[in-house]
Amino acid sequence: GAGVSQTPSNKVTEKGKYVELRCDPISGHTALYWYRQSLGQGPEFLIYFQGTGAADDSGLPNDRFFAVRPEGSVSTLKIQRTERGDSAVYLCASSSTGEDTQYFGPGTRLTVL
Amino acid sequence: KQEVTQIPAALSVPEGENLVLNCSFTDSAIYNLQWFRQDPGKGLTSLLLIQSSQREQTSGRLNASLDKSSGRSTLYIAASQPGDSATYLCAVGGFYNTDKLIFGTGTRLQVFP
Repeated sequence: GAGVSQTPSNKVTEKGKYVELRCDPISGHTALYWYRQSLGQGPEFLIYFQGTGAADDSGLPNDRFFAVRPEGSVSTLKIQRTERGDSAVYLCASSSTGEDTQYFGPGTRLTVL
Repeated sequence: KQEVTQIPAALSVPEGENLVLNCSFTDSAIYNLQWFRQDPGKGLTSLLLIQSSQREQTSGRLNASLDKSSGRSTLYIAASQPGDSATYLCAVGGFYNTDKLIFGTGTRLQVFP
């Protein structure tokens, strides 16, 4: 079946602009995660959804970052007033109830000029 | 705060060698530990998952061990091949099966013919 998909694959924006990154999890997966990976680093956790609600948003760096999952499937990560330090690869993962493995998408590479 | 360290940061070996990648973590209260592979510009692929109650897992030429009390895991790759060239990431899961993953910075492996 289809894996986790993320759009766009690349996004270039200017400092101060607003961006939205989309994640389509594997069908039927109730858990969805967002991570951010800077160059040469491992992924860092941002937020975790169980169904429609954010079960853990402790990794969001500040209030410019927000994520939603209104129908319990597709999720959107929203970044306001982007800064150059936001440049990174944003990874989405999903998992199903009772399964521990997280399945990752290919990521969205965000570049803030 | 959980911290995950991977040694070495980079490794270059000739084809056919057996090799060991190391991962250490500071808090032994983990639910599980996963090893991932990441190819350039791609997402993460789960290789092996070890539950906290397990000591090792094997898949083909890969064997991962876990010593929770000492905060260590190793990934053993037998008879390495050029196709094994990638970055290998270790990640620990927190207190429950859907908890976020804490990643190390990875080991970049190159296997040359």
